[in-house]
Amino acid sequence: EIVLTQSPGTLSLSPGERATLSCRASQSVSSSYLAWYQQKPGQAPRLLIYGASSRATGIPDRFSGSGSGTDFTLTISRLEPEDFAVYYCQQYGSWTFGQGTKVEIK
Amino acid sequence: EVQLVESGGGLIQPGGSLRLSCAASGFTVSSNYMSWVRQAPGKGLEWVSVIYSGGSTYYADSVKGRFTISRDNSKNTLYLQMNSLRAEDTAVYYCARGRYFDSIDIYYGMDVWGQGTTVTVSS
Repeated sequence: EIVLTQSPGTLSLSPGERATLSCRASQSVSSSYLAWYQQKPGQAPRLLIYGASSRATGIPDRFSGSGSGTDFTLTISRLEPEDFAVYYCQQYGSWTFGQGTKVEIK
Repeated sequence: EVQLVESGGGLIQPGGSLRLSCAASGFTVSSNYMSWVRQAPGKGLEWVSVIYSGGSTYYADSVKGRFTISRDNSKNTLYLQMNSLRAEDTAVYYCARGRYFDSIDIYYGMDVWGQGTTVTVSS
């Protein structure tokens, strides 16, 4: 089973700043199989990125994904107030999620 | 409109059984990879089970042998039969549509989610 480890656990930033979130796999993962989700309190998760770098429908272009092999990154170029949430990576095949990164207001 | 609506959650004693339902509209359950994902209070997302369009099923180790995923094509509904429930199964349970196209070998992620149904296992 592939284990996904996200870092940092919490990211404290101000609106307008850049957020860089990491997702590391315990073994190599096809970039075609890596997705990112956003979850706000009391809501279901929302798909942001699939195929490691493709934005899902309706996702603003301030969200971008990159990476390959065992290291993947979600970048939010300029944080908007609505972006403060928890973010998860997830892999097709083992279907597992990372433990999440909380992006909070500094 | 593409939508998933879960039902069937509630308070159940340890060792009991519960069946969750997830009614789909706007798309066909049997043509997609359908998953159950849960979230314990204050915790992260945990994948529970998936049923592929071809009918293959897979489970997280934490529920293997106790939970069964199934679907009723005539009702366009996904189910999760949960037996031998434990306190650690307490969570919000979401159903989600996952899309994988083997012809181009791309996973499009879980793009449709239900609102969740709460399962509480307690005496």
